[in-house]
Amino acid sequence: AQTVTQSQPEMSVQEAETVTLSCTYDTSESDYYLFWYKQPPSRQMILVIRQEAYKQQNATENRFSVNFQKAAKSFSLKISDSQLGDAAMYFCAYRGAGTSYDKVIFGPGTSLSVIP
Amino acid sequence: NAGVTQTPKFQVLKTGQSMTLQCAQDMNHEYMSWYRQDPGMGLRLIHYSVGAGITDQGEVPNGYNVSRSTTEDFPLRLLSAAPSQTSVYFCASSSDRDSGTEAFFGQGTRLTVV
Repeated sequence: AQTVTQSQPEMSVQEAETVTLSCTYDTSESDYYLFWYKQPPSRQMILVIRQEAYKQQNATENRFSVNFQKAAKSFSLKISDSQLGDAAMYFCAYRGAGTSYDKVIFGPGTSLSVIP
Repeated sequence: NAGVTQTPKFQVLKTGQSMTLQCAQDMNHEYMSWYRQDPGMGLRLIHYSVGAGITDQGEVPNGYNVSRSTTEDFPLRLLSAAPSQTSVYFCASSSDRDSGTEAFFGQGTRLTVV
């Protein structure tokens, strides 16, 4: 069965600094999707970035980028120039492709605090 | 542009009662899903739909029914509520199956079953 692990329950970063949130996963599939979601105190789920496993190039979205290491099954999120609005719970998630599309696994989350 | 709208935002049910959580999107998205979020956990997929008339089960479908008679609406029905169904429920949608995920989420429904 697929699993997603986020080993850092809580992280903090100084405003304007860079922070990396870790995520590892386990799957026997060769094709799948990986995502990072942000959930601020408002409870709204916000898609931050996504990565398709067959693409070797790491995804980037403005200040957010990932380090996707397929062989190591690692998918870390780097937030550059951290802002107060980045404070939230961050979830790493896995989704199967094709006939495994119903396999959606979320990690337990990392709570990120941004220090002014 | 309302996006994904869920109603109600809060609900308290007694054990054994039934209710329907409503979800509507105005973006003509084909893909819609229901998730539940329990304390200290990420989301778990309940049911999903890849288009009108098509639904399928996710990880935790027991105790829930869905239907998709139109592209816009994807209601979630609890036929006989149980305390184990106390959770926050999220509806989500996407226009692109190849993206692998829903990019738009509703605000969530906090359901308490007593």
